[in-house]
Amino acid sequence: GQQVMQIPQYQHVQEGEDFTTYCNSSTTLSNIQWYKQRPGGHPVFLIQLVKSGEVKKQKRLTFQFGEAKKNSSLHITATQTTDVGTYFCAGPDSWGKLQFGAGTQVVVTP
Amino acid sequence: DAGVIQSPRHEVTEMGQEVTLRCKPISGHDYLFWYRQTMMRGLELLIYFNNNVPIDDSGMPEDRFSAKMPNASFSTLKIQPSEPRDSAVYFCASSPTTTGTGELFFGEGSRLTVL
Repeated sequence: GQQVMQIPQYQHVQEGEDFTTYCNSSTTLSNIQWYKQRPGGHPVFLIQLVKSGEVKKQKRLTFQFGEAKKNSSLHITATQTTDVGTYFCAGPDSWGKLQFGAGTQVVVTP
Repeated sequence: DAGVIQSPRHEVTEMGQEVTLRCKPISGHDYLFWYRQTMMRGLELLIYFNNNVPIDDSGMPEDRFSAKMPNASFSTLKIQPSEPRDSAVYFCASSPTTTGTGELFFGEGSRLTVL
C-alpha cells in the first residue's frame, strides 16, 4: 500500500537558520497536506497542495509539491523558537484515507 | 466556534478495565475520524464515519476496540478489556469534506495510560 516517508526524523536547528524537511510517497498523490504538532499538543493543519509543482508560502514557511506529485518539501527560513514541534505530511492512499508520515521533530536552540 | 471536543483529556486505568473515550465534532462536519498516536507507530487511522455511518474500520486493532456514532454530534471509542499496549494518545478529528481531500480538525486528544 501507499507509504509516506519523511526525512529527517529529527532536526536540531540554531535560531535564525534555515532548514528543510522532505516527504516522499511510494505512489502518486492527488494532494498532500502538512500539519504541525506542538509538544503535548494536537496536529494543526498548515496547508494543502494539489497541483504538480505547486509552491505556496506562509510567512517564513515555503511548501512545494513535486512535479511527479510523489514528493513534497517544507522549508523554513530564519527559524524561531515558535517553530518548535513536529511537522507531518499526509497524503491520501488508494482508498482515500489520509496517511501520515512519521513526522520531523524540530528542536530550536536559541 | 468551538473546535473538536474530546474527553477525558487524561485517563489512567488498570489492565482489564473498560475505557470509553468521547468526541464531539465540529457542527456541520460530516466526517469523523479516530486516530491513535504512539511513538512507535505514529498517527494511525482507526476508523472513520460519514454522516454517522462507519465507513472503514480496517484500522481498528482488535475486537477489543469498538466505535459508535449515535448522532452527528457525538462519537465514542471503547476499549474492553484494556491492555498496557493500548496506552497512547487518541485523537478525534472531523472534516467537512470527504476523506483525504481536505483539512482535518483535530481535538486535543485523550491520553490513555493502561497500567
